[in-house]
Amino acid sequence: GAVVSQHPSWVICKSGTSVKIECRSLDFQATTMFWYRQFPKQSLMLMATSNEGSKATYEQGVEKDKFLINHASLTLSTLTVTSAHPEDSSFYICSAAGTSGRLGVYEQFFGPGTRLTVL
Amino acid sequence: DQQVKQNSPSLSVQEGRISILNCDYTNSMFDYFLWYKKYPAEGPTFLISISSIKDKNEDGRFTVFLNKSAKHLSLHIVPSQPGDSAVYFCAATRQGGSEKLVFGKGTKLTVNP
Repeated sequence: GAVVSQHPSWVICKSGTSVKIECRSLDFQATTMFWYRQFPKQSLMLMATSNEGSKATYEQGVEKDKFLINHASLTLSTLTVTSAHPEDSSFYICSAAGTSGRLGVYEQFFGPGTRLTVL
Repeated sequence: DQQVKQNSPSLSVQEGRISILNCDYTNSMFDYFLWYKKYPAEGPTFLISISSIKDKNEDGRFTVFLNKSAKHLSLHIVPSQPGDSAVYFCAATRQGGSEKLVFGKGTKLTVNP
């Protein structure tokens, strides 16, 4: 399957600072990228859908001004957590999605995740 | 409203036996279903998928069965191996739409040696 990378894999920051997380699709041109967060022992919660060159679509309850998403190219999307607070501490996962040439199969590949801890 | 449900939070099986993980969905618009495996502190790994035009898809030790009338799918792993121990998420989507995946809450599978 395709390789999706995230950077950094973990980050610790002080409350009030901003943190940027990068998501790269290394061998797959993703028309759409998604950002999720996962709380301990919970399912993946979709935060936003990001399409290359357009504004992200946020899920209900997700603050767009707090979680800034930029999808600059078919292989790169970034999530910036602005003015982070301890309650933003979580595991953030991105995914890259699209229909591959192989039988036109829809595929969605996930990055390894980024652990954010806000002190 | 939970559109994708995995009612068993955990499952324990013996090595070599079959593992059956179940998933139910409520949205009849879903037409594509995926299973992911996830280890702690890692992103989900794609396992197998099935389109609603099929009722079975097999890939090695993994087989997914879809019962559209019951809005139910299941993942069979046979034979189960200790390395299969992980959390398994069922996900559903509607092709041609937003491509959003709706996930179940996951089932933690433990395969005992």
